[in-house]
Amino acid sequence: KAGVTQTPRYLIKTRGQQVTLSCSPISGHRSVSWYQQTPGQGLQFLFEYFSETQRNKGNFPGRFSGRQFSNSRSEMNVSTLELGDSALYLCASSSRDPTYEQYFGPGTRLTVT
Amino acid sequence: AQTVTQSQPEMSVQEAETVTLSCTYDTSESDYYLFWYKQPPSRQMILVIRQEAYKQQNATENRFSVNFQKAAKSFSLKISDSQLGDAAMYFCAYGDRDDKIIFGKGTRLHILP
Repeated sequence: KAGVTQTPRYLIKTRGQQVTLSCSPISGHRSVSWYQQTPGQGLQFLFEYFSETQRNKGNFPGRFSGRQFSNSRSEMNVSTLELGDSALYLCASSSRDPTYEQYFGPGTRLTVT
Repeated sequence: AQTVTQSQPEMSVQEAETVTLSCTYDTSESDYYLFWYKQPPSRQMILVIRQEAYKQQNATENRFSVNFQKAAKSFSLKISDSQLGDAAMYFCAYGDRDDKIIFGKGTRLHILP
């Protein structure tokens, strides 16, 4: 099976702009989770989608949003970018049954200038 | 709330030797999973090993094994016959039916030739 793919891999944006990141899960996986990884805060959970519904949400401001499509592909959007949003954004997919391990994509490196 | 603690920010081991990475966690759930993920310099997060909380037998995957002490809420990773390719950041992680994985801060493992 093909792994989790994320596009784009690298992105440079200016403060105040918005950005959309895309994630395609492993075929058959209906759960997609997003994480933000920074040197200072480590890996932080953003949100999880399952069958087009947001099931869990981390402690991030409303500028961070996401959605999932009927084919399980997911997008994450960050509006009004701030310098502190510079991070590696990781997407992970899971089948959720029978086990809960998640399989990660290569990540999108976002730099906000 | 669930927490995961990795008390060793960095460790070094001689090639071919054995090293143990520590992890403790806290949860009030009875049904959960524990994971060790490896993140090499390429930044691709790779699942190394997982342990179901209801299983008493420690999980093993080739040179990787865990010591799962449920009562003590301890979950250490032992790497035998360390290889240069094992150099990476290792994350201990907790997951339950909510499918939100909680990660520790990570342990950077150096392999000395």
